[in-house]
Amino acid sequence: GDSVTQMEGPVTLSEEAFLTINCTYTATGYPSLFWYVQYPGEGLQLLLKATKADDKGSNKGFEATYRKETTSFHLEKGSVQVSDSAVYFCALPREGGKLIFGQGTTLQVKP
Amino acid sequence: NAGVTQTPKFRILKIGQSMTLQCTQDMNHNYMYWYRQDPGMGLKLIYYSVGAGITDKGEVPNGYNVSRSTTEDFPLRLELAAPSQTSVYFCASSLVPLRDSKGETQYFGPGTRLLVL
Repeated sequence: GDSVTQMEGPVTLSEEAFLTINCTYTATGYPSLFWYVQYPGEGLQLLLKATKADDKGSNKGFEATYRKETTSFHLEKGSVQVSDSAVYFCALPREGGKLIFGQGTTLQVKP
Repeated sequence: NAGVTQTPKFRILKIGQSMTLQCTQDMNHNYMYWYRQDPGMGLKLIYYSVGAGITDKGEVPNGYNVSRSTTEDFPLRLELAAPSQTSVYFCASSLVPLRDSKGETQYFGPGTRLLVL
């Protein structure tokens, strides 16, 4: 069945380090792909999205490119800040508006 | 425009008690969802609704019930609380189904933390 797999965390980085969080998916067809972010004590917020192959989603310095050939949607940021500390979820939309989430990757950025 | 609101923020239940988690959205969204989030896990869909009067089971519906009498409200009911239902519950809504629109986001509430002892 359809699924999303994320790299396991937690990921601990120093401020200004480069971030990559891997996400791969299994699905029929060519779905949209999403990254959601959950800051401590809050609900999930959409961070970025891509709606077709080779699209690049970007927001707040984060980027992710929809790679059909490798069924991947890795999240990257060139220089992380302490305020980026959060849990990041890769998600795959399915019929009926449902979202399939990866297990989440916790990012901790130290000053 | 408050978005998606949930009450209560936190609740402790004894085994066998019942409670209703409230969810309201003011964006006139047709689609609403209930998820649970367990530590170290992604979100699992409990129930969803495509409009007033229509609900359907998600991935983990056992032990829960829902109703959708209005567009705005989508309460989640636990009839006989069990320790396995200790979790954080998120309600979400969207205007159209994500699959069809190829990009419509879901908007999430702040969550309800439930502890069953």
